[in-house]
Amino acid sequence: KAGVTQTPRYLIKTRGQQVTLSCSPISGHRSVSWYQQTPGQGLQFLFEYFSETQRNKGNFPGRFSGRQFSNSRSEMNVSTLELGDSALYLCASSLEGGPSSGYTFGSGTRLTVV
Amino acid sequence: AQKITQTQPGMFVQEKEAVTLDCTYDTSDPSYGLFWYKQPSSGEMIFLIYQGSYDQQNATEGRYSLNFQKARKSANLVISASQLGDSAMYFCAYYRTGGFKTIFGAGTRLFVKA
Repeated sequence: KAGVTQTPRYLIKTRGQQVTLSCSPISGHRSVSWYQQTPGQGLQFLFEYFSETQRNKGNFPGRFSGRQFSNSRSEMNVSTLELGDSALYLCASSLEGGPSSGYTFGSGTRLTVV
Repeated sequence: AQKITQTQPGMFVQEKEAVTLDCTYDTSDPSYGLFWYKQPSSGEMIFLIYQGSYDQQNATEGRYSLNFQKARKSANLVISASQLGDSAMYFCAYYRTGGFKTIFGAGTRLFVKA
């Protein structure tokens, strides 16, 4: 079966711009989580969506937002980009968002802000 | 708040030997789960093993086993018969049941020597 697909794989943006990242979960998976990974802060939870509803949100500024569509695909948006937003953004999907159903990660989108 | 600690930034192991990666956690939650993930240089997070807080036996998946000591709040990963392909970053992660959020440790980089 197809895995979790994240697009684009690489992205270079200028400070102040906005960016939208996309995540297509495994077919049948209804939960999508997003994480930011940086060398300094490690892996940090951004948010989790299930059936188009955000169920939890990490400690990130309001510039970071997300949404989930009826087909479970999810997007995250970062507005007014800062240099510190440069990171690997990972998306993970699962059947119901709990450990018993397991998580599958995508390969990530590497965002560079210049 | 929950906290995950991985005290070994880097580890070396000889090929075919066993290695233990340490993970401790701090929580007052009654129900939770612990994961281990592998992240090769390609960036994708690969699920290795899961342990529920109420599971009586230690989890095992092929060459991976989780040494779960609930009273000591530790969940160490044991890799038996190390292979060169095991060289990667390894992350311990915590999930509070119903929290819809996974917290990751800082990771341990494992180097397998031929």
